[in-house]
Amino acid sequence: NAGVTQTPKFRVLKTGQSMTLLCAQDMNHEYMYWYRQDPGMGLRLIHYSVGEGTTAKGEVPDGYNVSRLKKQNFLLGLESAAPSQTSVYFCASSYSVGQGALQETQYFGPGTRLLVL
Amino acid sequence: KQEVTQIPAALSVPEGENLVLNCSFTDSAIYNLQWFRQDPGKGLTSLLLIQSSQREQTSGRLNASLDKSSGRSTLYIAASQPGDSATYLCAVGFSGSARQLTFGSGTQLTVLP
Repeated sequence: NAGVTQTPKFRVLKTGQSMTLLCAQDMNHEYMYWYRQDPGMGLRLIHYSVGEGTTAKGEVPDGYNVSRLKKQNFLLGLESAAPSQTSVYFCASSYSVGQGALQETQYFGPGTRLLVL
Repeated sequence: KQEVTQIPAALSVPEGENLVLNCSFTDSAIYNLQWFRQDPGKGLTSLLLIQSSQREQTSGRLNASLDKSSGRSTLYIAASQPGDSATYLCAVGFSGSARQLTFGSGTQLTVLP
């Protein structure tokens, strides 16, 4: 299994450009997440999905949109990139073992480094 | 606001030393607490997950404890090795937002040979 993969690994954008980050998992996990990591601030949740066709907002959703058209894929879109969106973006996935969130370990992808000029 | 704090931000120890990393959180109503490891330029790897009903979890040289009443968790690393050098992140699943993990900013550990 490849686990969680992210495409691209690195991208440079100009302010106002748009792009889509792709996350794919081959573990048949129900839940998927997008985080951003900034220096000194840990990871912050952008959006998440509890199943195919569903999405929900996290802590910092503004400026981002997501879609979960297939169970194995979770897309993060930036419609009009801003320098404040320069960050490292991580995707993660998890599954339920029957006790809700109590035992859900999240599995992370390698990250996408995004620089917005 | 629910927050997770990790102090110190960086720690350097000689090889072989036992060490403790600290994590504190502002709300005792939690589902679970997880410790992750992050190597430079890499994603996060889950080390240990402690459910709210548990007091500790062990994996090899790692032992994580949880004290909900005081809002604290510790990650104990025994007989540290240079390969343990990484950033260690604590993440809490607070009740009411169980699938939204709140992360600390991490402790960057360097184990000197």
